[in-house]
Amino acid sequence: DARVTQTPRHKVTEMGQEVTMRCQPILGHNTVFWYRQTMMQGLELLAYFRNRAPLDDSGMPKDRFSAEMPDATLATLKIQPSEPRDSAVYFCASGFIRARQFFGPGTRLTVL
Amino acid sequence: AQKITQTQPGMFVQEKEAVTLDCTYDTSDQSYGLFWYKQPSSGEMIFLIYQGSYDEQNATEGRYSLNFQKARKSANLVISASQLGDSAMYFCAMREGSGGGADGLTFGKGTHLIIQP
Repeated sequence: DARVTQTPRHKVTEMGQEVTMRCQPILGHNTVFWYRQTMMQGLELLAYFRNRAPLDDSGMPKDRFSAEMPDATLATLKIQPSEPRDSAVYFCASGFIRARQFFGPGTRLTVL
Repeated sequence: AQKITQTQPGMFVQEKEAVTLDCTYDTSDQSYGLFWYKQPSSGEMIFLIYQGSYDEQNATEGRYSLNFQKARKSANLVISASQLGDSAMYFCAMREGSGGGADGLTFGKGTHLIIQP
C-alpha cells in the first residue's frame, strides 16, 4: 500500500534554530505539495512542485522558508531561523492526476 | 472573499442517522475539482470523495456521496448511516484550473462532526 512518508513526525526546537522536514512522495507521482495546518489559519498551501520543478510557492514566507526537491524521492522544507509562530503541523502530499492528493502523516513542529 | 465556506463549525448527530455537511465554493474557473477529506483525532488526512466540475453525476464512494449543485456552487457531503468512527473533522477543498497534473488545494475551515451513540 503506497504511502507518503514524512520525517520527523514531531519536532521541538528553540527559536532561531534551523528546522528541516523531509517527505518521500509516492513513487510515480509527479506533483508534491507542502501544506501547513494551524488552529488560526486552518490548512494552507505553502508550495508545490511538478516534475521536481517549483510551480508555486506564493503561500510561503520567502525570507525564512525554502522548499526543494533534490530528487524524485525526496522533498524538503526548511525554516531558518524558526520562530514560535511557525509552530504548526506541516503536511506533505503527492498526486499525479487531478482527482486526488495523498497526504503524509504530517510533522508536528513546536518552536519554543 | 473565502473560496471555500463551511458554515457548520460543529455538528452532533445520532448514530445511524444520515449526515449532511455543507460546503459552498467560489471560483470563476470553468474547470475545477471539489474534494472532501476526513481528519480524525490522530491527525491524518483521509481522502473521501472527489467531484469534477464537468462530472454530470454526483460522486459516490461507499457511504459517502457528494451532492453537487453547480449553479448554487454547492458541494455538500452526505454520509449515510453514520457510525461512531465517523467522528472527526471534515474538510471541503477545491482545486482550480486545468493544468496538467494535480494542483494545490484551497481548504475550508472544517466541520467537527461528533456521532453520539
